[in-house]
Amino acid sequence: GAGVSQSPSNKVTEKGKDVELRCDPISGHTALYWYRQRLGQGLEFLIYFQGNSAPDKSGLPSDRFSAERTGESVSTLTIQRTQQEDSAVYLCASSVRRPAPQETQYFGPGTRLLVL
Amino acid sequence: QKEVEQDPGPLSVPEGAIVSLNCTYSNSAFQYFMWYRQYSRKGPELLMYTYSSGNKEDGRFTAQVDKSSKYISLFIRDSQPSDSATYLCAMSGTGNQFYFGTGTSLTVIP
Repeated sequence: GAGVSQSPSNKVTEKGKDVELRCDPISGHTALYWYRQRLGQGLEFLIYFQGNSAPDKSGLPSDRFSAERTGESVSTLTIQRTQQEDSAVYLCASSVRRPAPQETQYFGPGTRLLVL
Repeated sequence: QKEVEQDPGPLSVPEGAIVSLNCTYSNSAFQYFMWYRQYSRKGPELLMYTYSSGNKEDGRFTAQVDKSSKYISLFIRDSQPSDSATYLCAMSGTGNQFYFGTGTSLTVIP
């Protein structure tokens, strides 16, 4: 069965350029999360979508970061004017319902972003 | 102070050993405690979840939570080379966010 997929798997960009990362959640999953995983650090919550409700953007580190999701389908995370400190693995996860530890989050393989 | 502290290791053990992985946390509002396993170049996968204090066992894995000490542990019995991975603890309260540790890298040597 199809799991969470992310594209691209790797992205190298120059400082100052914009990048767009894509996440395809598992079909039927209403909740979707974006995380950032920097080298040697834990997963850092970025944003959460639940169905058609307003997203929880409380984890976005700056206004250069934004994300969209249409309904319960694909989500895109956009980073504008990338900086070297944006280099990280960006992970997407989806779950059937609202976030709860017993509601398993299924993670994608991540997009490895390197900003030169 | 970080919300969650976890020793990054690396930890290297012989096959068959008992492995102990630990995290400490600072937020007394955390109620849910999870352990994830992450293989190289893969996303994390949920291993175990525990609510409040106590122990939970699943096969070779035991999760332990001590809320009074703000300390959680994952024990792996009879460790196997296939257990070699990074183990992340995570916890949450009543909100949408999950707080993750940095992960401990484990290698089980055949």
